[in-house]
Amino acid sequence: GESVGLHLPTLSVQEGDNSIINCAYSNSASDYFIWYKQESGKGPQFIIDIRSNMDKRQGQRVTVLLNKTVKHLSLQIAATQPGDSAVYFCAENSAGGTSYGKLTFGQGTILTVHP
Amino acid sequence: GAGVSQSPSNKVTEKGKDVELRCDPISGHTALYWYRQSLGQGLEFLIYFQGNSAPDKSGLPSDRFSAERTGGSVSTLTIQRTQQEDSAVYLCASSLVQQGGYGANVLTFGAGSRLTVL
Repeated sequence: GESVGLHLPTLSVQEGDNSIINCAYSNSASDYFIWYKQESGKGPQFIIDIRSNMDKRQGQRVTVLLNKTVKHLSLQIAATQPGDSAVYFCAENSAGGTSYGKLTFGQGTILTVHP
Repeated sequence: GAGVSQSPSNKVTEKGKDVELRCDPISGHTALYWYRQSLGQGLEFLIYFQGNSAPDKSGLPSDRFSAERTGGSVSTLTIQRTQQEDSAVYLCASSLVQQGGYGANVLTFGAGSRLTVL
């Protein structure tokens, strides 16, 4: 079946640096993508989302880029802080508006921010 | 409540026993989801409830797994005759589905119930 996956399982950065977390997807019918952050012992927390008719969306210190040509999604975190240390998951909804939160998640990238 | 509440937070059981996991969604959220997260893995969709519609059970791995949602609020995930491969964190999430589906994918997750089958 089709799935969402990540290029890098771990990423270590210094505090203040920018972080880029990548995700590849294979389902060309995917129309909605989401990034979640999961801290140890907690459930995933929504960060930012993007629809397939967009190629970039910005939030507070975060930017999501979507390249549909190569089926690639990335999350950029500006001025990374120790509190950003967590596992980051990308997820897709390929079923459209009828299946709402029935998401397919990637395996996750562990981000470690060193002070 | 302010967030999605799950209980128990940890459950250790013996192989072959039945377990029940409970989820209290955010008040007013019409959609409720169960996901499973195995060690070092991403989340795996199990089941989805939306209002009074029939639940989407397409992710349940076997007929040992079932879930119900009473009164459109609290949900219970039941695993019968547990097996060691059932060991995982079971995450519940809810969302507010507005007209046209906007916001439906913004799931708010609970902290999960960690199940260990010995």
